[in-house]
Amino acid sequence: SAVISQKPSRDICQRGTSLTIQCQVDSQVTMMFWYRQQPGQSLTLIATANQGSEATYESGFVIDKFPISRPNLTFSTLTVSNMSPEDSSIYLCSAPLGTGQSDTQYFGPGTRLTVL
Amino acid sequence: AQKITQTQPGMFVQEKEAVTLDCTYDTSDPSYGLFWYKQPSSGEMIFLIYQGSYDQQNATEGRYSLNFQKARKSANLVISASQLGDSAMYFCAMRAYFGNEKLTFGTGTRLTIIP
Repeated sequence: SAVISQKPSRDICQRGTSLTIQCQVDSQVTMMFWYRQQPGQSLTLIATANQGSEATYESGFVIDKFPISRPNLTFSTLTVSNMSPEDSSIYLCSAPLGTGQSDTQYFGPGTRLTVL
Repeated sequence: AQKITQTQPGMFVQEKEAVTLDCTYDTSDPSYGLFWYKQPSSGEMIFLIYQGSYDQQNATEGRYSLNFQKARKSANLVISASQLGDSAMYFCAMRAYFGNEKLTFGTGTRLTIIP
């Protein structure tokens, strides 16, 4: 099965700084997704990253706070900018892998972010 | 819009017993897929099982099966012969097949297996 990797796996950051999270898929995919999971909560979609076009952000998330890059079909980055303690979460990237309608959406191992 | 409801915030089950985790959904899309994921304390999201809305048979994957009742809009996960390693959060999710492929998640159920 395909593999999705993320780095860093965890980080502790100071308020006001920025962190860039990398996501690598071992096969080419059209769409990649970035999710946030706040402590004790479910997953919330931040944005959809399409190669060759601007990311599409969900309501409540803006590009200035969460800029996303998608330079090719196997890689994406998410930056969490000007961090505050409220940004402490697990950030997960995912991609649908397979063929047809039954393709499964797999996730990377996540980045556990703590903001002090 | 899609909505997933998981009404069991937590469950305790004796080891080796079967367990059913409830999931109901709401969507106006004619074609969709339903997923179950396991999230251990490490935080990773592990795919367990998938059911397509037009699939005639219930999906099975090893000890996992999905009890799909389309008319009731329910997609319950059944874990047979539970093991200590099954202790984790379990999330039900769905995706429509027209437009964006994003997943909509339920609030999750924390399953604890008791030895």
